[in-house]
Parts: sequence; C-alpha cells; structure tokens
Amino acid sequence: QQQVKQSPQSLIVQKGGISIINCAYENTAFDYFPWYQQFPGKGPALLIAIRPDVSEKKEGRFTISFNKSAKQFSLHIMDSQPGDSATYFCAARSGGGATNKLIFGTGTLLAVQP
Amino acid sequence: EAGVAQSPRYKIIEKRQSVAFWCNPISGHATLYWYQQILGQGPKLLIQFQNNGVVDDSQLPKDRFSAERLKGVDSTLKIQPAKLEDSAVYLCASRNPGTGANVLTFGAGSRLTVL
Repeated sequence: QQQVKQSPQSLIVQKGGISIINCAYENTAFDYFPWYQQFPGKGPALLIAIRPDVSEKKEGRFTISFNKSAKQFSLHIMDSQPGDSATYFCAARSGGGATNKLIFGTGTLLAVQP
Repeated sequence: EAGVAQSPRYKIIEKRQSVAFWCNPISGHATLYWYQQILGQGPKLLIQFQNNGVVDDSQLPKDRFSAERLKGVDSTLKIQPAKLEDSAVYLCASRNPGTGANVLTFGAGSRLTVL
C-alpha cells in the first residue's frame, strides 16, 4: 500500500521527442505527488509537483497528468533535450503536514540522443 | 542560499567496521531527513527529525544504524557494524515546514561501499 510503482526502468528518446514516464499507487491517502530529477553524483532535485485535486500541471516543457480514479500519474517531457538526460523519480507524500514523508518510485533512466 | 552539505562524499570500509556521515541542512530548515539510495532504486526514508526530535524512524535498522540531531541543526548518521548490503548513497534532505512548502532539498549524498 505504501509503494509507488514506476515504469519504464529506462527510456531512450530522440532529441525533440516526447518522453513519458508513468507511476501508479495504491494508497488513496497520498496527497501530494512530486517528480524529482537526479543527475549523476547529485542529489534529487524537485522538478514539478501536483495535488490530487488537479488533473494536469504544466511548467515549461514538463507536464504532469494525474488520473485520480485510476491512481496513476505521469510525467511528459516535451521537446526532449540531451540536457534532460537524467534519472527521474516519482514520489508520493504520506502523512502530510508535519511529517511530509515522501515515498519514491524506483526511478527511470532517461537518455536523450542528439 | 547555501544548499545541504554532506560529508564525506565517498567512504570505503570493510564489513563489520563503523562509519559516520554528517549533514548540515539549509539554515532555518527545521525538518531533516536521511534517505538510503541503493543503486538502481529510489531513495528510502531512514529517519526524519523535526528540530532535534525524531518524527519517524520506522525504517531505520536500529540494531546497526543510529542518528542524532542534538542541537536541531547538524545531524550525524552512524552505521555500526556495517554489512555488505549497506552499500548505498546516503542522502540528507531538509525542509522548512514554516513556509508551508513541500519542497525537500537534497544534498549530493555520501556514497558508502562496504567490502
């Protein structure tokens, strides 16, 4: 119930293409869903986040689509660039408020080919 | 603002030895987290502090792992004795709950190799 399942494990996209990463969860008490981007040798950094009362959020080339009834959410990277090559983690917040505990997916290694 | 500082960046030890990692969070961030990231996996929460009190340590292997945040600022994570399966990157993160922001800011991590 506390898991967040992420797919695919790895993804290769051509420059200018669309990258799509999917996540699914079971716990309906999760109340916040961020995506983190991690470059080699660095810690994860917040990319974009969404709350379950919103179906879509867009920030620049990055869009989260959220399907509350299916308990699924996805990250779309439009016009993918080589600089987007990184590992992407979806996450879900458990506890909320003071505890703000994030449960992470297993990660997707994205390679954008020039 | 300065980021989350961690040291050492890399550590190689033999199994059954001990190791300690240090974290200095962003100034003013009352909440501090230690995550374990095994190669090819997502970060897993080990322990969460609010100031110098423990909020959640349910996934901390307490027979070998310990953590403290004595003055509500810096934190130390210790492993004693280390096992091969402890090889991972240990990430420290901090958050300012006072702003209502949900953003966790991570440090670069401390990579542990247990031989």
